[in-house]
Amino acid sequence: GAVVSQHPSWVICKSGTSVKIECRSLDFQATTMFWYRQFPKQSLMLMATSNEGSKATYEQGVEKDKFLINHASLTLSTLTVTSAHPEDSSFYICSAISGDRTDTQYFGPGTRLTVL
Amino acid sequence: LAKTTQPISMDSYEGQEVNITCSHNNIATNDYITWYQQFPSQGPRFIIQGYKTKVTNEVASLFIPADRKSSTLSLPRVSLSDTAVYYCLVGEAEYGNKLVFGAGTILRVKS
Repeated sequence: GAVVSQHPSWVICKSGTSVKIECRSLDFQATTMFWYRQFPKQSLMLMATSNEGSKATYEQGVEKDKFLINHASLTLSTLTVTSAHPEDSSFYICSAISGDRTDTQYFGPGTRLTVL
Repeated sequence: LAKTTQPISMDSYEGQEVNITCSHNNIATNDYITWYQQFPSQGPRFIIQGYKTKVTNEVASLFIPADRKSSTLSLPRVSLSDTAVYYCLVGEAEYGNKLVFGAGTILRVKS
């Protein structure tokens, strides 16, 4: 149980375009999802907390107009990187809280974004 | 959010037991301790979680002393496939609370 998927697993786009990444909880409902970014050989950095039906809460230094987060249902959150630039190239990972375990986050497999 | 301190890296050989200790001196009363494993280009995988004393599951054991200021992840008889980064996190036992990842411990298992 507690499976989280992401789509796509990797994406290459041109500079200036927008890219949408989906995060789904497959076998549980997640009122809260999180989005992380991870650069090579570094740890995960929390970008934002996504709550179903409300606006996301962004961490300090993360541009909310650049990284649009939508949590439209209890099983789906999306991250849209708008007007992507090469410095946005990174590994994006989502996680979701499983309601049957206190404070346990289950992570998706990640999405590798490369901006040319 | 409690800050955690782990060794940067550890080396081991196949078949050995590996113990990774994490310090979290400022852990709060409501904080749980959770360990994750991450392979390159994959999302972290939940290993084990505990609040106090000892927790054991099919892949690992977690030892937490009475003062809860540290915890030790124990991996029995590691194999080459256990080579990964291991993260120790602490967080409030409150639904939806965010976690802050530290640098983690790079475990290298050799044959």
